[in-house]
Amino acid sequence: GAVVSQHPSRVICKSGTSVKIECRSLDFQATTMFWYRQFPKQSLMLMATSNEGSKATYEQGVEKDKFLINHASLTLSTLTVTSAHPEDSSFYICSARDGGARETQYFGPGTRLLVL
Amino acid sequence: GQNIDQPTEMTATEGAIVQINCTYQTSGFNGLFWYQQHAGEAPTFLSYNVLDGLEEKGRFSSFLSRSKGYSYLLLKELQMKDSASYLCAVGDSNYQLIWGAGTKLIIKP
Repeated sequence: GAVVSQHPSRVICKSGTSVKIECRSLDFQATTMFWYRQFPKQSLMLMATSNEGSKATYEQGVEKDKFLINHASLTLSTLTVTSAHPEDSSFYICSARDGGARETQYFGPGTRLLVL
Repeated sequence: GQNIDQPTEMTATEGAIVQINCTYQTSGFNGLFWYQQHAGEAPTFLSYNVLDGLEEKGRFSSFLSRSKGYSYLLLKELQMKDSASYLCAVGDSNYQLIWGAGTKLIIKP
């Protein structure tokens, strides 16, 4: 099956610092990747859609200058949380869409971010 | 508007069968997906339906009726490890997934 990796799996940082999260599709090319955030006991919330070679599309209420997304290749997308604050602490999950597999989204294992 | 409805929580007994329903109203339809999400983990893909009918995959089956905007996920021979949230999602006309809030399934011995 399709495999998506995400790194790091867990990060603790100080308030005001920036954190970069990488998402890679390991055995397929993903023209589209998605970034989600999930707070404890809540639903997945789509933050942005990342298309290879173009600007990301952000959902309403998500600050594009705070959550920088780069999709430089067909297998890699990065999310940078800039000037992180404690309220940014959450579970960040990426998914990659496999166009050859009925457009199925496959998820990475997630990154748990804690901002102190 | 776009809407996906599924029960918030269900309880079932180990070894039994449970059916989790999902109804949807979306702009366009490009398949219905079921994902499983264990607490603290990312979702994993379970099934995909784009045509009416039943798709069987081991202990799990998924059914779709496009005319009724309805799907269900059927889990047989329940095991304790099946305790998880089950997410229903529909691909819209742009192939974006519209997500349900998930059904938390609790399995009791």
